[in-house]
Formats: sequence, C-alpha cells, structure tokens
Amino acid sequence: AQSVTQLDSQVPVFEEAPVELRCNYSSSVSVYLFWYVQYPNQGLQLLLKYLSGSTLVKSINGFEAEFNKSQTSFHLRKPSVHISDTAEYFCAVMLYSSASKIIFGSGTRLSIRP
Amino acid sequence: NAGVTQTPKFRILKIGQSMTLQCTQDMNHNYMYWYRQDPGMGLKLIYYSVGAGITDKGEVPNGYNVSRSTTEDFPLRLELAAPSQTSVYFCASFSKGGTLNTEAFFGQGTRLTVV
Repeated sequence: AQSVTQLDSQVPVFEEAPVELRCNYSSSVSVYLFWYVQYPNQGLQLLLKYLSGSTLVKSINGFEAEFNKSQTSFHLRKPSVHISDTAEYFCAVMLYSSASKIIFGSGTRLSIRP
Repeated sequence: NAGVTQTPKFRILKIGQSMTLQCTQDMNHNYMYWYRQDPGMGLKLIYYSVGAGITDKGEVPNGYNVSRSTTEDFPLRLELAAPSQTSVYFCASFSKGGTLNTEAFFGQGTRLTVV
C-alpha cells in the first residue's frame, strides 16, 4: 500500500526567501504524485502534478517540484515566496497501474513573515 | 460547470443521531472519494468508489457507510454520530484522462460538529 510522509508540519519563512516543503512516499509500483494547496477555510486546489515524463514540474505561480524515484521524493520549492503563499500544502500519491486510492500526507503549514 | 458539490456546508449533530452528507459531481468522473480532515492530521481517506455500484474502504472507514448508485452521486452516511466524528469532510472526484486532465477535484467541504 502507498503512503506519504510530509516531515515538516509547519514552515515559517520570511517574504521573498526561498522555501522547500518535503514529501516522501512509499510504493512498490509506479505512482502519480500531486501537490495540493488549501487556503484558509477553503477546499483543496491542485498546485502541480507528476504523471510521467520530465521529472521537474512547475506551476503557474512559481512553485516547482521534482520527482526523484531513487529517493522516493517529490519536494516542493519556490525561490521567492509571497505573503499570498500562506496556506497549507498537501502532498498526495496514487498508484499508476490501477484505479485506486489517493493518499494524502499530513500537510505542511507555510507561514510567511513580512 | 458546477464541479463537485457538497451539502450541507455546516451541521451540528447530537451524539447518536444519524445523517447523510451529500456529494454530487457533474464531470462524469468514475472515481470518487470521501476524506475527513482533522487539525495536524491531513486528509484521511474514509471510502472511495471506482464506479457506480463499486465502493471500497479507505484508511478510516469505521462509523461510516457509502453507496454509489449513480456516477454522479456518492453520499456518506453516519449512522450513530460520535464526538470523534467531529471533523471537516471533503468529497472529491478524480479524472484519469491523460496528462492535462488527470487530477482530483474537491468540494468545498462539510464542517460537522457532534455534541
């Protein structure tokens, strides 16, 4: 069965500083990987995803994540954060080979200090 | 296009009461999911369905039931509400439709309090 670990429950950073949110997964088969963002009192929105092909995927608002198969990781990065990036970020995994469960990590709360 | 619609948005239940959380999607997705979100715990999968008539347990199914009589609807039933079921519940549907379209779409959530 697949599982997801987000090691950091909270990450405080200063505005315009770089940030990395870590995500590791475990699965014996190929997976789809996702990052979702949840703004306060809202539902979840897709930020970016890895399905196949290029291991570096990017979002329209400057985030990027790199799939590393050997380290079973899918860390999320942004070179310069903005106050508006304050939110909770969830990493998720789904088995590639069959219709199945989407399992989420416990989330990382990103707080931006001015 | 409404996407995934959950009702109600808020509800307070007394211990032992029952209720159904409704979830409807208009995107013709086969896969649907119910999650609960508790502070610091992320989203835990309760039940999921890969098509009409097919459901399966997730990580935390105890105390819940689901049915999937149509592609569009995936209601979640709480038979005997307990304080431990106080949570925010999210329904999602999943499109497995090629690189551009493969993603899960979420409803806005139902905040349930059991007292």
